[in-house]
Amino acid sequence: GESVGLHLPTLSVQEGDNSIINCAYSNSASDYFIWYKQESGKGPQFIIDIRSNMDKRQGQRVTVLLNKTVKHLSLQIAATQPGDSAVYFCAEIPNAGNMLTFGGGTRLMVKP
Amino acid sequence: EPEVTQTPSHQVTQMGQEVILRCVPISNHLYFYWYRQILGQKVEFLVSFYNNEISEKSEIFDDQFSVERPDGSNFTLKIRSTKLEDSAMYFCASSPGPDDQPQHFGDGTRLSIL
Repeated sequence: GESVGLHLPTLSVQEGDNSIINCAYSNSASDYFIWYKQESGKGPQFIIDIRSNMDKRQGQRVTVLLNKTVKHLSLQIAATQPGDSAVYFCAEIPNAGNMLTFGGGTRLMVKP
Repeated sequence: EPEVTQTPSHQVTQMGQEVILRCVPISNHLYFYWYRQILGQKVEFLVSFYNNEISEKSEIFDDQFSVERPDGSNFTLKIRSTKLEDSAMYFCASSPGPDDQPQHFGDGTRLSIL
């Protein structure tokens, strides 16, 4: 269940630092966005979502920012921990549909 | 916390054989999905299912694929005559509703076609 073989961009951070993972989406008609985390051997795990009428949403230790003007989404993880090491995907759903379109993913590596 | 469960975790099948992948969605969810991830590629949408019928499908979901909800808890994906290129991870997902409801994924079935 991992993106083995994908040429994933990799973000390497020190434990305790903040992480920012970026995503560019393509469909200007998309109005709902989700960040997923995928650990080795597992399926995508829901982290946080945001609707297009918002530009920021916060969860526990995570914040998602949406910039519709440049079609950009980011995920901020505060005080990154070794357990945060995984591949992170953004996904979008266009208006009036429920088909998730996934981005290519970013591998986050947390150094203890 | 409720979760989507998939069986088997790994399925090995001869080319041309039929295969059925099984999923138990989260119990109060009404929308069900199948996705696949070919090794080295992105997760791709196959099909969504609601109220006992397909609500949306991708170009990948051709006549060799079918889905079924045979009872109140299971959701299956059948591939009628498997090809080598069907080898992939297949993920089932479910959501409480459409439109702005997060889809929750199982841990997938790795399908290997020989």
